[in-house]
Amino acid sequence: LAKTTQPISMDSYEGQEVNITCSHNNIATNDYITWYQQFPSQGPRFIIQGYKTKVTNEVASLFIPADRKSSTLSLPRVSLSDTAVYYCLVGQTGLGGSARQLTFGSGTQLTVLP
Amino acid sequence: EADIYQTPRYLVIGTGKKITLECSQTMGHDKMYWYQQDPGMELHLIHYSYGVNSTEKGDLSSESTVSRIRTEHFPLTLESARPSHTSQYLCASSESGKNKGKLFFGSGTQLSVL
Repeated sequence: LAKTTQPISMDSYEGQEVNITCSHNNIATNDYITWYQQFPSQGPRFIIQGYKTKVTNEVASLFIPADRKSSTLSLPRVSLSDTAVYYCLVGQTGLGGSARQLTFGSGTQLTVLP
Repeated sequence: EADIYQTPRYLVIGTGKKITLECSQTMGHDKMYWYQQDPGMELHLIHYSYGVNSTEKGDLSSESTVSRIRTEHFPLTLESARPSHTSQYLCASSESGKNKGKLFFGSGTQLSVL
């Protein structure tokens, strides 16, 4: 299993760019990196996914270095509503693959201050 | 937008009662999952299913059981609820075939056993 390590918490101010890094030293060749956002008493919500280099969508960017042992989620110009827990998930399940590979880490509590 | 539904949203029940948490998805996903999450803690996989009549236990030992008689339905049952079962239960599903880790979550059921 590709165990992930993230900072427990981060604080930021509105309008700033926030970068959350996840370490996954044991990532396998076929593993993808997926980030989720979770608000209290709700299920996690998919933010972005990547395999290598850089991926960008309408809400975030994901930077993955060549060795793929870490990844950085970048949230541009955060607002108060971005206060949530952010999870990095590393793994994949192919046909017959084990869902145990989809293991969530402890997540990072991001608090956006006014 | 994900179409995965969990009911009830909240449940308060006495010790010894039998309960069933419902989860349904309308996306035609073969793979479905149950995660358990305590407040402020990480998600733990307790059950998953690759398809109809296919269920397996996850990493975290659970006294609950699941069934998958129909593709869209993945209920979780506790035969005799105890206070130690108090937690949030999250259901998720993912696309058929090779899954890169993109899960769609329901809103969860917050279970309190008195």
